[in-house]
Amino acid sequence: AQSVTQPDIHITVSEGASLELRCNYSYGATPYLFWYVQSPGQGLQLLLKYFSGDTLVQGIKGFEAEFKRSQSSFNLRKPSVHWSDAAEYFCAVGAGGNKLVFGAGTILRVKS
Amino acid sequence: NAGVTQTPKFQVLKTGQSMTLQCAQDMNHEYMSWYRQDPGMGLRLIHYSVGAGITDQGEVPNGYNVSRSTTEDFPLRLLSAAPSQTSVYFCASSYSTGVSYNEQFFGPGTRLTVL
Repeated sequence: AQSVTQPDIHITVSEGASLELRCNYSYGATPYLFWYVQSPGQGLQLLLKYFSGDTLVQGIKGFEAEFKRSQSSFNLRKPSVHWSDAAEYFCAVGAGGNKLVFGAGTILRVKS
Repeated sequence: NAGVTQTPKFQVLKTGQSMTLQCAQDMNHEYMSWYRQDPGMGLRLIHYSVGAGITDQGEVPNGYNVSRSTTEDFPLRLLSAAPSQTSVYFCASSYSTGVSYNEQFFGPGTRLTVL
């Protein structure tokens, strides 16, 4: 069965510093991979997705993610974090028929 | 476009009570789903629907019922609430092409507490 692991429950980054959130997946075939962001008290918003092709995908709000098949990873990055990026981030893998399996999430705190 | 709307935003129930969480979307999406979000567990799929009249179980369906009589609405019913159902519930919708995954649009959530 598909699964997603986000090893970091909390991450704290200084404003202006770079960010990398880790995601590892378990899936037999070529995965469909997603990153969602949840601001406090809000629903989830899609940041970016990987289906095939270029392994470096660009998303909204200056985020990017790189698919590495050899490491079963899909890490999310941002070169310079803004205070408004403080939120919870979820990695997800497609589980067939438009269903998603989510990781446990990583809470990002941004300190000024 | 209102997108995906959910009511109520907050609800407190006593053990054994029943209730219906409402979800509606105005984007003419075929696919709709319900997730529950618990700390440290991410979102888990409860039930989903690929169109009016068609529903199926997700990962954690026990204690929940759904029906889909229209494209727009996908209510989630708790038959006899239990404290283990204390959670935040999200409804989501997307186009369903049957070929690939499509972006799922999430509602703002319903925070349910069962005492």
